[in-house]
Amino acid sequence: DGGITQSPKYLFRKEGQNVTLSCEQNLNHDAMYWYRQDPGQGLRLIYYSQIVNDFQKGDIAEGYSVSREKKESFPLTVTSAQKNPTAFYLCASIRLGSEGKLFFGSGTQLSVL
Amino acid sequence: DQQVKQNSPSLSVQEGRISILNCDYTNSMFDYFLWYKKYPAEGPTFLISISSIKDKNEDGRFTVFLNKSAKHLSLHIVPSQPGDSAVYFCAARRSNDYKLSFGAGTTVTVRA
Repeated sequence: DGGITQSPKYLFRKEGQNVTLSCEQNLNHDAMYWYRQDPGQGLRLIYYSQIVNDFQKGDIAEGYSVSREKKESFPLTVTSAQKNPTAFYLCASIRLGSEGKLFFGSGTQLSVL
Repeated sequence: DQQVKQNSPSLSVQEGRISILNCDYTNSMFDYFLWYKKYPAEGPTFLISISSIKDKNEDGRFTVFLNKSAKHLSLHIVPSQPGDSAVYFCAARRSNDYKLSFGAGTTVTVRA
């Protein structure tokens, strides 16, 4: 079955540590997105990529970095510069030219030790 | 600046009755609107959408209404079932821009 796989499900970060969240899709989708969900808030866009080797900042990119070396993969690194990293992180993808319905992964809960 | 707003953080409804969720937007360039359903610790799943050329779209128990002049849309769930208990997010985008702007969500609880 095609889908979006995020790993790990749960992740803990120590102070000053960089951590990387994985996102892989086998839907042959062109564009991929990273959103962050905090309690009582909507999903906020961190980074997105519409083509391999290219990506753009979203609304809250500070303290995060991404890469898009393969069409299927869009890993997100939460750097030590992100002072409030505890959140639920969601990866999504879409085929450009389609209706605009994003497909989401099952998410990664990141917590700070 | 939040461009999509869901002003009701929660809604409690009795099983079998209608659930009405509301959503307002400020960006007049938005022309495609979606509703997503989300369970705790899971990713959102697509529920229903509507284009700005329509004012109503229906899919089974779910109907979305769009009032462009008021920049308002609503989701009706009839009849509500226990499995509908979840967080519902309203989202919107512009043509040729696949980035979605999301509201804060409304938590629906269906009481037996």
